Amino acid sequence: SYELTQPPSVSVSPGQTARITCSGDALPKQYAYWYQQKPGQAPVLVIFKDTERPSGIPERISGSTSGTTVTLTISGVQAEDEADYYCHSSDITTPYWVFGGGTKLTVV
Amino acid sequence: QVHLAESGGGVVQPGRSLRLSCTASGFTFSRVAMHWVRQVPGKGLDWVAVISYDGRNTHYADSVRGRFTISRDNSKSTLYMQMSSLRAEDSALYYCATEHYDSNGYGSGMDVWGQGTTVTVSS
Repeated sequence: SYELTQPPSVSVSPGQTARITCSGDALPKQYAYWYQQKPGQAPVLVIFKDTERPSGIPERISGSTSGTTVTLTISGVQAEDEADYYCHSSDITTPYWVFGGGTKLTVV
Repeated sequence: QVHLAESGGGVVQPGRSLRLSCTASGFTFSRVAMHWVRQVPGKGLDWVAVISYDGRNTHYADSVRGRFTISRDNSKSTLYMQMSSLRAEDSALYYCATEHYDSNGYGSGMDVWGQGTTVTVSS
């Protein structure tokens, strides 16, 4: 089955830039999506189609792609950005959606 | 406003069945694909199934294929998940979520989520 790989955790200080990666063999050909989830809340879509930002998501949150890796970048990290982040995509040959294991962003 | 409300969760014995519902409001339900996603407390998101806007196409995760059936009633703006032969590992918080697709067939991501309904499979 298809897998997306994320680092379990990322730590940054307030005001710094956080980068969360997601790797998968199909990512050069399939779009990736990113979700933010805070404790006790449902996930929120923050990036779609690799780089696009839904309305209401701050500009300091961005997405990029390079080969088999997509990256979520949060510039000027704030305490409110502390959350779990999940990438999501699908396989190429079969209609099979999958989430990465999630990355816990800690603002220290 | 746009809203999804899941219901139908509960405690059920292994091997038994359960039907979840997801009622939509504030948008044109018949124009969006719908997903079920589950999450064990303290663990990651786990995609379960998706159904096209018209109900003609469905896809399932390997872990539930043959046991779960996703369906929808656009006249009632309601999504369903019929779960049978339930196992302990199916215990989770089950979310429904919307996804719009463009004319090229690309999804815009799961942009609206409910608050979830909890399923506990235990004897």
